[in-house]
Amino acid sequence: DQQVKQNSPSLSVQEGRISILNCDYTNSMFDYFLWYKKYPAEGPTFLISISSIKDKNEDGRFTVFLNKSAKHLSLHIVPSQPGDSAVYFCAASEWYGNTGKLIFGQGTTLQVKP
Amino acid sequence: GAGVSQSPSNKVTEKGKDVELRCDPISGHTALYWYRQSLGQGLEFLIYFQGNSAPDKSGLPSDRFSAERTGGSVSTLTIQRTQQEDSAVYLCASSPDVGETQYFGPGTRLLVL
Repeated sequence: DQQVKQNSPSLSVQEGRISILNCDYTNSMFDYFLWYKKYPAEGPTFLISISSIKDKNEDGRFTVFLNKSAKHLSLHIVPSQPGDSAVYFCAASEWYGNTGKLIFGQGTTLQVKP
Repeated sequence: GAGVSQSPSNKVTEKGKDVELRCDPISGHTALYWYRQSLGQGLEFLIYFQGNSAPDKSGLPSDRFSAERTGGSVSTLTIQRTQQEDSAVYLCASSPDVGETQYFGPGTRLLVL
């Protein structure tokens, strides 16, 4: 069973607009959530994370929101740039500080059009 | 500094053969992880090593898969008697310590014919 789900395989937005990528999870024991970005033929690179004790974390153009009651998190990119075009994976971990084991979603391909 | 490196970058093998995939983590990183990404899927955790502790092998899909980490540095993932369903991109990541940001290598693309 898929504990972390990204239900939208792809998303297309116009440059300058907001990109919103969504992720749902089923395991209420997850206490740490991350977003990774992946370009073709490269490994994923860390983007932003959030602990379960927070509901928002911001880093420049990237903001992650966590809704624990809905078991939902989202990544907002504002403003979107063509260089943001990539596959975005959300990941979750139970007791990340002790295990580091990440459960990934299937990914969402973001295309930002100039 | 140098990032995580993996070799080979691509590997084509015949069903039933054994393969070895290598990962060189970032120097000084004590935690090392293996994941795989099958076509159209997310990354699937396989195994992780932390210092001298016993590895967490809970993600290995079968006993044909094994991994070792020598001297707390280089790791090798071995797949015995490969099957077509083993075809995937195998990714290695390392972090300074468990619970810190994981840095991924470019992956090894394995194709089993």
